[in-house]
Amino acid sequence: DIQMTQSPSSLSASVGDRVTITCQASQDISNYLNWYQQKPGKAPKLLIYDASNLETGVPSRFSGSGSGTDFSFTISSLQPEDIATYYCQQYDNLPPFTFGPGTKVGIK
Amino acid sequence: EVQLLESGGGLVQPGGSLRLSCAASGFMFSGYAMTWVRQAPGKGLEWVSSISGSGGSTYYADSVKGRFTISRDSSKNTLYLQMNSLRAEDTAVYYCAKGGPSIAAPKFDYWGQGTLVTISS
Repeated sequence: DIQMTQSPSSLSASVGDRVTITCQASQDISNYLNWYQQKPGKAPKLLIYDASNLETGVPSRFSGSGSGTDFSFTISSLQPEDIATYYCQQYDNLPPFTFGPGTKVGIK
Repeated sequence: EVQLLESGGGLVQPGGSLRLSCAASGFMFSGYAMTWVRQAPGKGLEWVSSISGSGGSTYYADSVKGRFTISRDSSKNTLYLQMNSLRAEDTAVYYCAKGGPSIAAPKFDYWGQGTLVTISS
């Protein structure tokens, strides 16, 4: 099965900062990668699909890039409402659809 | 408006059974794959099982294979997860999620609020 790693596991940044999270797959998954945001006590929310496509209604400060095994997720200007845990998820061909371990983003 | 509403969680003893339900509305239920994802307390997300729109294809995580069964009833717009031989490590919030038209393209764009399953004696 494909394994996913994320780094860092947590970070703190100031409001307005640019924040980048990386996600690495154990094998080539083309662009078959989604990014989710999960706030405490809430269900996950899809932000980015197919590595770089912004889900409808998601603010443009969120973006994703990458292909193959290396991917990144960026918040161009961190806002207080972006405090959450972010997960990458691969979907190469058929299940299992593995999630990364998550990155907890906080405000400095 | 797409809505997913899970039910059926609760406290069960180890070795017991539970059936979760996810009532869907606001979209053509039979046209989309559906998935269960769980989250143990304080832990990350774990994909559990997926089912195609027709119900003809099902997939399971190794951790639940042979114990859990996913199914769907298009006449009731409802997704199910039958969980047998439950273990302490199955304790988690279980979410249902709407996928894409193909099970191979799991864009989980809508999620339920989750239902808590606790396995304890």
